[in-house]
Amino acid sequence: DAGVIQSPRHEVTEMGQEVTLRCKPISGHNSLFWYRQTMMRGLELLIYFNNNVPIDDSGMPEDRFSAKMPNASFSTLKIQPSEPRDSAVYFCASSPQGIGYNEQFFGPGTRLTVL
Amino acid sequence: TQLLEQSPQFLSIQEGENLTVYCNSSSVFSSLQWYRQEPGEGPVLLVTVVTGGEVKKLKRLTFQFGDARKDSSLHITAAQPGDTGLYLCAGEGDDYKLSFGAGTTVTVRA
Repeated sequence: DAGVIQSPRHEVTEMGQEVTLRCKPISGHNSLFWYRQTMMRGLELLIYFNNNVPIDDSGMPEDRFSAKMPNASFSTLKIQPSEPRDSAVYFCASSPQGIGYNEQFFGPGTRLTVL
Repeated sequence: TQLLEQSPQFLSIQEGENLTVYCNSSSVFSSLQWYRQEPGEGPVLLVTVVTGGEVKKLKRLTFQFGDARKDSSLHITAAQPGDTGLYLCAGEGDDYKLSFGAGTTVTVRA
């Protein structure tokens, strides 16, 4: 059974460029989460979706960040324009909400470097 | 400021020794989870505790949830090099969101 799939695994870009990160959650999971992990701030929740609808985006740092979930099997996190301080590892996680507790399954992450 | 405080931040021990990692908060959680993360990978769920005072064992790992559901501990008996990793605790709030601690980096030397 495939886990959460993220692409690309690594992204290096220059300041000002648009970056799009992709995520495919585990089939049957109806909640999807985007996190950012840095040494300074640890693991931070950016936004989460339930049944493809954004529920809480209070963690999105600023308007340069946007996320979409057009269907149950795909989500994107876009940064436009990117800045060096956006450099981090971005994780996508999914959860079968409504069954037990919010136990999340994480993807391998995308390591983003903005020069 | 982290909602969940983990201690210690770093822990380096010899194979065969025991270790304990602590996770503390002033908030009450509906559940508390422990994850382990290895370099270059995402966190992997180890256990979920939901009842105050609950103790769960997973082979050499023992997890305890405080009576007031505000704190937790992870104890590893006879640690092995394969236990090396970043251990993260996460509390689930009423809003369904998880708040993660900063993590404890555990290194077990052979």
